[in-house]
Amino acid sequence: KQEVTQIPAALSVPEGENLVLNCSFTDSAIYNLQWFRQDPGKGLTSLLLIQSSQREQTSGRLNASLDKSSGRSTLYIAASQPGDSATYLCAVYRGSTLGRLYFGRGTQLTVWP
Amino acid sequence: DGGITQSPKYLFRKEGQNVTLSCEQNLNHDAMYWYRQDPGQGLRLIYYSQIVNDFQKGDIAEGYSVSREKKESFPLTVTSAQKNPTAFYLCASSLGQRGNQPQHFGDGTRLSIL
Repeated sequence: KQEVTQIPAALSVPEGENLVLNCSFTDSAIYNLQWFRQDPGKGLTSLLLIQSSQREQTSGRLNASLDKSSGRSTLYIAASQPGDSATYLCAVYRGSTLGRLYFGRGTQLTVWP
Repeated sequence: DGGITQSPKYLFRKEGQNVTLSCEQNLNHDAMYWYRQDPGQGLRLIYYSQIVNDFQKGDIAEGYSVSREKKESFPLTVTSAQKNPTAFYLCASSLGQRGNQPQHFGDGTRLSIL
């Protein structure tokens, strides 16, 4: 069974810091990995999707990397802002024919002014 | 604007009652999903559907039922057999069920017991 772990569970940083969120998974035979953002009481917003053949994806101040062999992904947030405060979830697609996502528990990020 | 609409936003269930959560999408997506989220937990898959009139159980299907009579609609019924239904329920859809298609989520329904 695929297990996804996110570290740290919570993170509080001052505005302007660069930060890294970590995600690890037990089964390296993934198809791809997706990072989401969740605001309190809201649904999930897709941030980045990395195919298994890719090493990284970038969108604005966000950069996600994937190392299948070690079962790890990182989400790098540059020059953090208070508006980045949210829970960040990592999810992996297992298998190439079924779009089933396996989720980590998330990292709750607080960026204070 | 295309998107996924879940209703109601809040729902209360009495003992022995079945309740139905609505999920509608206008993205023309084939695949739809239902997840349950508990505090401090990751999302867990309840049911998913690849095409109309077809659906499969996820990891925690007991006490839930679904239907997929129309492409744009995937309602979830929480039956009285589900003894711990209090949770945040999220509906998602994707263009296809192959793993190269990202999933898009609605804003969720919060279900509580009266």
